[in-house]
Amino acid sequence: QQQVKQSPQSLIVQKGGISIINCAYENTAFDYFPWYQQFPGKGPALLIAIRPDVSEKKEGRFTISFNKSAKQFSLHIMDSQPGDSATYFCAASRRNSGNTPLVFGKGTRLSVIA
Amino acid sequence: GAVVSQHPSRVICKSGTSVKIECRSLDFQATTMFWYRQFPKQSLMLMATSNEGSKATYEQGVEKDKFLINHASLTLSTLTVTSAHPEDSSFYICSARDAASGITNTGELFFGEGSRLTVL
Repeated sequence: QQQVKQSPQSLIVQKGGISIINCAYENTAFDYFPWYQQFPGKGPALLIAIRPDVSEKKEGRFTISFNKSAKQFSLHIMDSQPGDSATYFCAASRRNSGNTPLVFGKGTRLSVIA
Repeated sequence: GAVVSQHPSRVICKSGTSVKIECRSLDFQATTMFWYRQFPKQSLMLMATSNEGSKATYEQGVEKDKFLINHASLTLSTLTVTSAHPEDSSFYICSARDAASGITNTGELFFGEGSRLTVL
């Protein structure tokens, strides 16, 4: 059973455009939703994260939108740049502390073209 | 931010040999570390949760006798792939959370750079 569903699998965006990646979760006990960025051959790095008590969080060009009733959250990358080309993973966990692991989506391969 | 270091970053071994991968938290203590496995162009799949001073907890389908995990200190966890075979070739990534961070803290999960294992 896939607990976090991510789409699209791949995405091509023009430089300067908006990249949008969506995720949906099933477990209503999840209360921490991070997005990770991974470059080839590297480990994932935390990009931005949100908790369900807010509907939106913005950090620079990256914004997470969260819809608790729909159990969905999305990542928006504004003014996308070629350097943003990477694989993005959404994740979720019940409680971001202690021995709680993250459950990952399948990833979205983003290509930003000039 | 906090750093998690993995070693080696790449390892090539012959079938039947054992390989040890180290995961260290460099500037924080981690009572729990997580080991993930990632096949090319796929997501990260949790293999096991490594607990300092106690036995690791393995996910369903992961052979504990094949993937030996030792978490002997608050800054070091090791994963040993025993009697490796070509199908064990993968990207192994560890992650850790600062033990000092509680529910009120961000409790960010930090990932290592990964170790690419190739079994010939």
